[in-house]
Amino acid sequence: SQQGEEDPQALSIQEGENATMNCSYKTSINNLQWYRQNSGRGLVHLILIRSNEREKHSGRLRVTLDTSKKSSSLLITASRAADTASYFCATGAITSGTYKYIFGTGTRLKVLA
Amino acid sequence: GAVVSQHPSWVICKSGTSVKIECRSLDFQATTMFWYRQFPKQSLMLMATSNEGSKATYEQGVEKDKFLINHASLTLSTLTVTSAHPEDSSFYICSARDGAGVYEQYFGPGTRLTVT
Repeated sequence: SQQGEEDPQALSIQEGENATMNCSYKTSINNLQWYRQNSGRGLVHLILIRSNEREKHSGRLRVTLDTSKKSSSLLITASRAADTASYFCATGAITSGTYKYIFGTGTRLKVLA
Repeated sequence: GAVVSQHPSWVICKSGTSVKIECRSLDFQATTMFWYRQFPKQSLMLMATSNEGSKATYEQGVEKDKFLINHASLTLSTLTVTSAHPEDSSFYICSARDGAGVYEQYFGPGTRLTVT
């Protein structure tokens, strides 16, 4: 089952601009993670934010979490061509007695040099 | 960090044959492993959860007789796609959880399956 919906589905920006991606989910979660995936490759873990946290930073990445709205955002500042990839949120919660991560639909980011 | 490997990284097989994909946790014991499938330009869909020594739990809509999962040891889980068909062509990704960690889940690099 798909837990998260992400928007936009696709985003194209110029190098140096900021990119913002949003993730909305439906049920209560324990934490939310953001991943990057280059075309045809595996996943790269970016950030984990717990349900009791509101904001986290890692380098040029900033993640926010609003549990009241069941949404999260990923901001990439000063984007680079190398940031071109698909970005997914994954929500962690206990489902049917097992802690699982369910992925969102993803945002395809294209950064133009 | 913890490393999860998958083998093979890509495989091409003929329609009707079976293919086995291995997922290994290299430097930790994985009490739980997960199998995901990803079609082109789509997200990862959880197929099943496997706990070492017990039967896998499949997500709704996933045929357990077609996708056989074995988690015989704390470092190895296998996914066998039986009687593969072209529509099974996909990117299969496993992930593993350290028994001590609740949140940490480590992903393998994925296996690209093409059925001709």
